Amino acid sequence: EAEVAQSPRYKITEKSQAVAFWCDPISGHATLYWYRQILGQGPELLVQFQDESVVDDSQLPKDRFSAERLKGVDSTLKIQPAELGDSAMYLCASSSPGTSGANVLTFGAGSRLTVL
Amino acid sequence: GNSVTQMEGPVTLSEEAFLTINCTYTATGYPSLFWYVQYPGEGLQLLLKATKADDKGSNKGFEATYRKETTSFHLEKGSVQVSDSAVYFCALTIQGAQKLVFGQGTRLTINP
Repeated sequence: EAEVAQSPRYKITEKSQAVAFWCDPISGHATLYWYRQILGQGPELLVQFQDESVVDDSQLPKDRFSAERLKGVDSTLKIQPAELGDSAMYLCASSSPGTSGANVLTFGAGSRLTVL
Repeated sequence: GNSVTQMEGPVTLSEEAFLTINCTYTATGYPSLFWYVQYPGEGLQLLLKATKADDKGSNKGFEATYRKETTSFHLEKGSVQVSDSAVYFCALTIQGAQKLVFGQGTRLTINP
């Protein structure tokens, strides 16, 4: 079964350092999403790509977060500098239009970030 | 705006008990509704979905019916197992938009 690959699974960093997460979506999925899940809460969308273009980054803290999907396949999410409040699970998901009309997202296992 | 509200957890049940996790939504347009499950240390997995009013989604013994009149999508299972212990998320997408909007999640623990 096709999977969304993410790395690293775990990252511990000190505040003010830079950190990057990588995501490889399911082959052929044009839409890619980065979500942030703070412990005890539901995931919140940070950025959504359609191919290589950003279609929604309204909740991305652009002073410190950046995301790119240069060739419309894999994607990188960067945080610089990291702050204590960035400690969370960062989830990547991808989708393609469903035959039933519902857009079904497939999630990766996530990258858990701890900022000390 | 579009939002999802789930019953607060944690929920603790004994094995073979009946499960209900409540979910209500607010949406503009005609949402599709989903339940995702997150097992410890893992990402989210789609459990079931419904795309229009009165549709029933089902999978692994879980069911949820899309109720437009009450804007609800409650998750039910007749007899839970220890292996059902996880966090359950209700979510929606709006027609024409692709992103999922999630509820806050409900942690379920099943004791043997």
